[in-house]
Amino acid sequence: EAQVTQNPRYLITVTGKKLTVTCSQNMNHEYMSWYRQDPGLGLRQIYYSMNVEVTDKGDVPEGYKVSRKEKRNFPLILESPSPNQTSLYFCASSYSYGPNTEAFFGQGTRLTVV
Amino acid sequence: EDQVTQSPEALRLQEGESSSLNCSYTVSGLRGLFWYRQDPGKGPEFLFTLYSAGEEKEKERLKATLTKKESFLHITAPKPEDSATYLCAVCFGNEKLTFGTGTRLTIIP
Repeated sequence: EAQVTQNPRYLITVTGKKLTVTCSQNMNHEYMSWYRQDPGLGLRQIYYSMNVEVTDKGDVPEGYKVSRKEKRNFPLILESPSPNQTSLYFCASSYSYGPNTEAFFGQGTRLTVV
Repeated sequence: EDQVTQSPEALRLQEGESSSLNCSYTVSGLRGLFWYRQDPGKGPEFLFTLYSAGEEKEKERLKATLTKKESFLHITAPKPEDSATYLCAVCFGNEKLTFGTGTRLTIIP
């Protein structure tokens, strides 16, 4: 089954404790991205990757890091989480990017930073 | 700045009561407009892509239309299982997706 898998689904952590949210896709997609979803703000892109070893900032990259060492994996790293990073996070993948692309989303990771 | 606005924020309909959701955008080179459905606790699921004014696409009880400034998602004779948040996203000249905040649709049996 074609899917994007995120882990964990739920996470509660304390301020400053480094964490990683994993994302893996089994569709051999070139393009992967991370979004956060907050009430009243919609989905906002954090980082994206157009291929292995190619990553770039989205609209809200501050406080986040990513890496793309393998095509299927695109982890999101919070080196020193803060309460304003409490949010619902989604990983997405697509065969390409731009207007001809259908994005597949993971199930989401609900992160709470206290 | 490119913007995407969805209305209404929330909509409650009786089962079988048809209606429309709106997605308006300020254009800086529209490349494509997407509709997604999001169920509680899940990621968005792709529904349609529209590329040019006058284009229409249908899927079951849903029909999406596009003009030069907005898109409508028409829901005909909805059922309770159509309850979800419907997201609009627009691809502008920079080829990134800009999402609206969504319309939360509730269909009452």
